[in-house]
Amino acid sequence: QKEVEQNSGPLSVPEGAIASLNCTYSDRGSQSFFWYRQYSGKSPELIMFIYSNGDKEDGRFTAQLNKASQYVSLLIRDSQPSDSATYLCAAKNTGGFKTIFGAGTRLFVKA
Amino acid sequence: NAGVTQTPKFQVLKTGQSMTLQCAQDMNHNSMYWYRQDPGMGLRLIYYSASEGTTDKGEVPNGYNVSRLNKREFSLRLESAAPSQTSVYFCAGQGAGSSYNEQFFGPGTRLTVL
Repeated sequence: QKEVEQNSGPLSVPEGAIASLNCTYSDRGSQSFFWYRQYSGKSPELIMFIYSNGDKEDGRFTAQLNKASQYVSLLIRDSQPSDSATYLCAAKNTGGFKTIFGAGTRLFVKA
Repeated sequence: NAGVTQTPKFQVLKTGQSMTLQCAQDMNHNSMYWYRQDPGMGLRLIYYSASEGTTDKGEVPNGYNVSRLNKREFSLRLESAAPSQTSVYFCAGQGAGSSYNEQFFGPGTRLTVL
C-alpha cells in the first residue's frame, strides 16, 4: 500500500510563531508533492506544490522536499488565527492520474 | 466560471436506498475524481476518470459505480446504500497546463445512511 503519513495533531502554536507540518511518503516513484489546506466543513484547496529537492517559498509559506529521506514539510511563518485548518499532504507520480493524500494535520493558531 | 459543482449538498438515505451524486466542471479538466473523507482517514479515492470515456477503480470502489457522461460531468452512484457509506464525498477535477497536477475540489456532499 503506497502511503502518505502525517501526524494528526492537533498542532497548537501562538500567533506570530512558525508552524512546522511534516509528512513522509512510502512510494519512491512519487515526483510531485502538494499541500492542501482544508477549513472545517469546506473542501481542500491547494496552497503549495513542490517537485524538486530543497525549499520553495511563497509568501509566508515554505515547502521543503527531501527525496532521499522521503520527507516533505510545510513551514508557515508569522502564523495567524486564519491559518487554523487541517493541512493535507499529497503525493503523485509524474504522469500518473492518482494522488495519494495523507490523513491531515490539524493546526490551531492561538491569538 | 463555477469551477467544480456538486449536488446535492446534503442527503439522508435509508439502508438499501439508491442515489446518484452529481458532479460537473467548467474548467476543461480531462481527469475527474470521486473521493470520500472520513474522520481520521483523509481523502480516499473511490473512482477516477482519466479522460472522457474511461473510468477506473480507486482505493475503495466497492458499493459504488460511476459514469463519465461527457467531459464536464462525472456521477457517482450508490446502488444499495449502507451505513458504512456515511461520509463526505468530494468530486475533483485535475487542472491542465501549468497547474496540470493540481486538483480542484467541489464543495462536497454530506451523506448519512441510516
